Amino acid sequence: GQNIDQPTEMTATEGAIVQINCTYQTSGFNGLFWYQQHAGEAPTFLSYNVLDGLEEKGRFSSFLSRSKGYSYLLLKELQMKDSASYLCAVWDTGTALIFGKGTTLSVSS
Amino acid sequence: SQTIHQWPATLVQPVGSPLSLECTVEGTSNPNLYWYRQAAGRGLQLLFYSVGIGQISSEVPQNLSASRPQDRQFILSSKKLLLSDSGFYLCAWNSGQGLNTIYFGEGSWLTVV
Repeated sequence: GQNIDQPTEMTATEGAIVQINCTYQTSGFNGLFWYQQHAGEAPTFLSYNVLDGLEEKGRFSSFLSRSKGYSYLLLKELQMKDSASYLCAVWDTGTALIFGKGTTLSVSS
Repeated sequence: SQTIHQWPATLVQPVGSPLSLECTVEGTSNPNLYWYRQAAGRGLQLLFYSVGIGQISSEVPQNLSASRPQDRQFILSSKKLLLSDSGFYLCAWNSGQGLNTIYFGEGSWLTVV
């Protein structure tokens, strides 16, 4: 079967660093994606990993370990506008992206 | 550049009424098209996907249907809505090669009363 797990909620303060974990169990693997979704809006693409290792893009980084079925999204220098849900998604056997339920991040001052 | 639009943005429909949500993509040809639904407290659920005109695959059994009458047009329909159909409906696309980033439309909020 397909299973993508991530924490439901996380809290952090402005300027801090937060790591959002994602574990997956899928019948196939063709890449892992992270999306950001602000309340009431559509998800927007953040990052993509298909090989093991760290991908850095500004304040955001994403890590993948295929052997462990594990990824994390690292957000640095948190800002209030980073308060949102973060969705982990996996390309399984090629039909479409399969999404986790998302992690709601609340950033306080 | 490519853009995706869907409408209407918000609608309130009575139980048993029909539904039609429309989505169009501009700036690309032969896209893969998707309909997802996001219900409260649940993740994004894939409903339908299409790799070409008239080609529709359904991921879950339900009282919804999808059609693709033109290359860049994707329509989600229902003949009789249920309360459980309430949610946030998202159209999405990616390039014909598949297995790459998908991009979402603005979303449509459906409340069935």
